[in-house]
Amino acid sequence: GAVVSQHPSWVICKSGTSVKIECRSLDFQATTMFWYRQFPKQSLMLMATSNEGSKATYEQGVEKDKFLINHASLTLSTLTVTSAHPEDSSFYICSGGDRGSYEQYFGPGTRLTVT
Amino acid sequence: QKEVEQNSGPLSVPEGAIASLNCTYSDRGSQSFFWYRQYSGKSPELIMSIYSNGDKEDGRFTAQLNKASQYVSLLIRDSQPSDSATYLCAVNNADTGRRALTFGSGTRLQVQP
Repeated sequence: GAVVSQHPSWVICKSGTSVKIECRSLDFQATTMFWYRQFPKQSLMLMATSNEGSKATYEQGVEKDKFLINHASLTLSTLTVTSAHPEDSSFYICSGGDRGSYEQYFGPGTRLTVT
Repeated sequence: QKEVEQNSGPLSVPEGAIASLNCTYSDRGSQSFFWYRQYSGKSPELIMSIYSNGDKEDGRFTAQLNKASQYVSLLIRDSQPSDSATYLCAVNNADTGRRALTFGSGTRLQVQP
């Protein structure tokens, strides 16, 4: 299957700071990338969908000014959590999809802890 | 709101048995169906995709699709303790044109040694 990397795999930051998470498709061109959040023992929650070169589409209830998504190339998307607070602590996972398929390939995830 | 329903489990089976995981979906126009496996603390991993009615086999895994009944299942033969994980069913959204999948909440499988 296709490979997606994420960096960092975990991060601890202080409340009020910003954190950037990178998502890269390593062996395919991800025309669409997705960002999810997952709290312990809960389901995946889609935060936003981004297409290369376009603005991201955010799901209802997700603050677009807080979760900034950039999909500047076919292999890289970034999620920046601005002014992070303890309630933003979660497992953030990206996935990439190719143009011709609905298949999504997930990165390994980033565990964010805000103190 | 399109829905994908799964029994949350846990589904407990003895080692060597067949585990049967089920999923129903509400979007009658959906054409692409996926099973993901998620180990605790890890991200989901795609294990099966199915697009046509009937069975699709890959090693110990068999996906079954019945579009008329809006039903997808995953069978795991010769279950191993390493199969213990949460299995997520995912379906495409036909009417919105969006590429996002709708995921079920997952069924937790426990394989007892």
